[in-house]
Amino acid sequence: GQNIDQPTEMTATEGAIVQINCTYQTSGFNGLFWYQQHAGEAPTFLSYNVLDGLEEKGRFSSFLSRSKGYSYLLLKELQMKDSASYLCAVKGTGTASKLTFGTGTRLQVTL
Amino acid sequence: GAGVSQSPSNKVTEKGKDVELRCDPISGHTALYWYRQSLGQGLEFLIYFQGNSAPDKSGLPSDRFSAERTGGSVSTLTIQRTQQEDSAVYLCASSLVVPGSYEQYFGPGTRLTVT
Repeated sequence: GQNIDQPTEMTATEGAIVQINCTYQTSGFNGLFWYQQHAGEAPTFLSYNVLDGLEEKGRFSSFLSRSKGYSYLLLKELQMKDSASYLCAVKGTGTASKLTFGTGTRLQVTL
Repeated sequence: GAGVSQSPSNKVTEKGKDVELRCDPISGHTALYWYRQSLGQGLEFLIYFQGNSAPDKSGLPSDRFSAERTGGSVSTLTIQRTQQEDSAVYLCASSLVVPGSYEQYFGPGTRLTVT
């Protein structure tokens, strides 16, 4: 089975940097995703890591360590619009397979 | 439109009634997924379609839940004899099935409330 853990809530200040951690224990692994979900809206794709290391995309970066079962999402130069839930999800084996999600981290950006 | 669409956006139903939720995936996406998001919970996988067949139904919570997909496109999730614990947002996602393509695109969801 799959077990994915991430903090429930985080607060950070506008302009700051925040790191959202995700740990996972899985029976099969074919990549880790981060999605952003604003309240009442659909999740939108942020990043995908399948190999160890850091993937950078603008203000957002994502890191993966497969040996440690660990990932983080790094958000730089926080903006108020970054207030949302951030969902960590693991993809099972197979070309098209389901995502197993953590419960999400609700990030509140304050002035 | 270019994205995944779902209907209705909101559905209120009485306990014991049947409901049908619809998903229109992105054109050309052969994989289609249904997830459920309950208040305070993560997204919970329900069922996956590849074309019109469902190789993974492992997430359907009970035999009151069923889904079908026709023409390799539209999918319908049916919940019979709804219960209050079925209240949730039901999300549909679609994706390509080619090596190197991995992203699942989500629809806006259907918020189901069982009274």
